[in-house]
Parts: sequence; structure tokens; C-alpha cells
Amino acid sequence: DSGVTQTPKHLITATGQRVTLRCSPRSGDLSVYWYQQSLDQGLQFLIQYYNGEERAKGNILERFSAQQFPDLHSELNLSSLELGDSALYFCASSALGGPTYEQYFGPGTRLTVT
Amino acid sequence: AQTVTQSQPEMSVQEAETVTLSCTYDTSESDYYLFWYKQPPSRQMILVIRQEAYKQQNATENRFSVNFQKAAKSFSLKISDSQLGDAAMYFCAYRIISGTYKYIFGTGTRLKVLA
Repeated sequence: DSGVTQTPKHLITATGQRVTLRCSPRSGDLSVYWYQQSLDQGLQFLIQYYNGEERAKGNILERFSAQQFPDLHSELNLSSLELGDSALYFCASSALGGPTYEQYFGPGTRLTVT
Repeated sequence: AQTVTQSQPEMSVQEAETVTLSCTYDTSESDYYLFWYKQPPSRQMILVIRQEAYKQQNATENRFSVNFQKAAKSFSLKISDSQLGDAAMYFCAYRIISGTYKYIFGTGTRLKVLA
């Protein structure tokens, strides 16, 4: 158990809909990262937050948005969903400083758009 | 721009044998961290091993070890005495330790372990 939690575990929805994925980082970690992994693909970095502020942006679509709240949990909002948005969405957290710098990943949310 | 390249989309190894997965990266930074993550069929991302760029000694974790060649920007993962449970997707990752502190992942190598 990495200490990072994600809800829901599975989500099935229709095209055009909007969903919210939730992530709670490991205790003490201020930095949260969101990744998208389509079937048999690598990890696509979407966005990073640090202590409530956006820190870095990757290939995140305009239909997607995220935020990190004062209690450090984060939400990823996906709207106007398309079939191609079906993927596994990972949240990861890390301490920004040392000593080891690794990311801890949540179990992921599997999104299916029908 | 920093990039991470895993040139082997798929590898196979016989149980109990040794296999090496390749990873190269491109960066102008002198201080950074490198990681190997394992993703088994459960899809959970599991940290296998980490290497600090300032350390010359190669990291080792039980049957997993790395060959870190800083000048060549190479970071390969060696798995000794391969076990069926090692079958997974393996991702190499690089972390900037300044600025955005972003992680950059390679495209992955799928490892099959043959009984």
C-alpha cells in the first residue's frame, strides 16, 4: 500500500458526460501528479500541483482540469468525454524535497467511456 | 528538453536466468534521480529501484541492480534469477530536482518470463 488513495476505482460513463476523479496523497506529501495511461501505452503526464498551486502542465486537454485543495487532496475533472478518454488515470504524490524523491502511485481509476 | 528512451518494447527471459532492460535519457542537468518502476498485470505502479545521479555506486535491491553510466546517459536494469512474478511492464523514469521537479517516463518494456 503506497498510502495514496484514489476514488472511484472504476467509472463507466457515456460520451459527452463529465466525471471527477479524486486523489488523496500520502501523508506529508505536498506534490500531486496526474497521469493518463491508455491500454498498453506508457504514462502520459497531465498536470502537477504543489501545495495548492499548479506547478507543471503536460499534455492535458482543455476539456480536462484539476485542482488541489487546502487539505492537499486533488481532483481531476474530465468533461465532454470522448471514447478516446477511456484509460487508467493515476495519481501520484511525492515530497518536493528529499531525501529520496520517488513518486508513490495510487491504484488508479479505470475510466470507460461508452 | 529532457527525454527518456526505452528501445526494447518487449523482452523475454527464461525463469532463473538474467535479463537486462535498457534505458537512455537526455538531459543537461547534472543532478537528478533515476528510477525503475514495475507495472504488473494489476496495473499498480511499484518502485523497483532508484539511483541518485551524484552517486557513482550502482544501486542494488535484492535481485535487481542497475548499471548507471552518467557520461553515456544510460541507466539499465538487471534482473537476476528471474521469477514468474517479475513478468510486468517496466518503466524507466527521470526526475528533475529543481524547477518543476517533474518526472519523465519512458515508454516501457514488457518483460515476459518463460517457465
